[in-house]
Amino acid sequence: GEDVEQSLFLSVREGDSSVINCTYTDSSSTYLYWYKQEPGAGLQLLTYIFSNMDMKQDQRLTVLLNKKDKHLSLRIADTQTGDSAIYFCAEIKGSSYKLIFGSGTRLLVRP
Amino acid sequence: SQTIHQWPATLVQPVGSPLSLECTVEGTSNPNLYWYRQAAGRGLQLLFYSVGIGQISSEVPQNLSASRPQDRQFILSSKKLLLSDSGFYLCAWSVLGGRINNEQFFGPGTRLTVL
Repeated sequence: GEDVEQSLFLSVREGDSSVINCTYTDSSSTYLYWYKQEPGAGLQLLTYIFSNMDMKQDQRLTVLLNKKDKHLSLRIADTQTGDSAIYFCAEIKGSSYKLIFGSGTRLLVRP
Repeated sequence: SQTIHQWPATLVQPVGSPLSLECTVEGTSNPNLYWYRQAAGRGLQLLFYSVGIGQISSEVPQNLSASRPQDRQFILSSKKLLLSDSGFYLCAWSVLGGRINNEQFFGPGTRLTVL
């Protein structure tokens, strides 16, 4: 995942907001994704944003996209202990079949 | 509905032994299939992907190989495992033109420990 970068770890208190950041490199990416991985499990698509959007809101999740800086963020409002997981951002390179994943951010929610 | 299965769930193998991990998808036709490896504390590394039976693209040179003997079956193999092959192996599928372009659906994973 050298093309997509994320911070490795984030710790927040239950009820606070969490913001997970990601930078990507391919300005032609059409979709950008956030996946969630719970301990010992596979990944599940959490949300996504199309490249012509700046923001997308989905219940407690808000995705912000800054195409100029190639910066993507995921905000989780009212973070719960069940949100503790690893969060991966990913981009599609052009018209390829391949997703390029970041290294993942481990979110720890403290009670 | 579509489901994806991987087995075994966990595997402990000695160095130099062979490997065969299997992934099957149900409820869809002609999926794109992917093998990823997740090393401890690291991100996902795409190992192989396949857009059809017998069509395999390798992303990273290594001692692993992949095969797709049937439309919805993807196998990851090795003739001789190395210590560095330890990790969490994830299989995924997608279809072009799906609800979200190239949304990938992941299996539960196989945790491989090479001793």
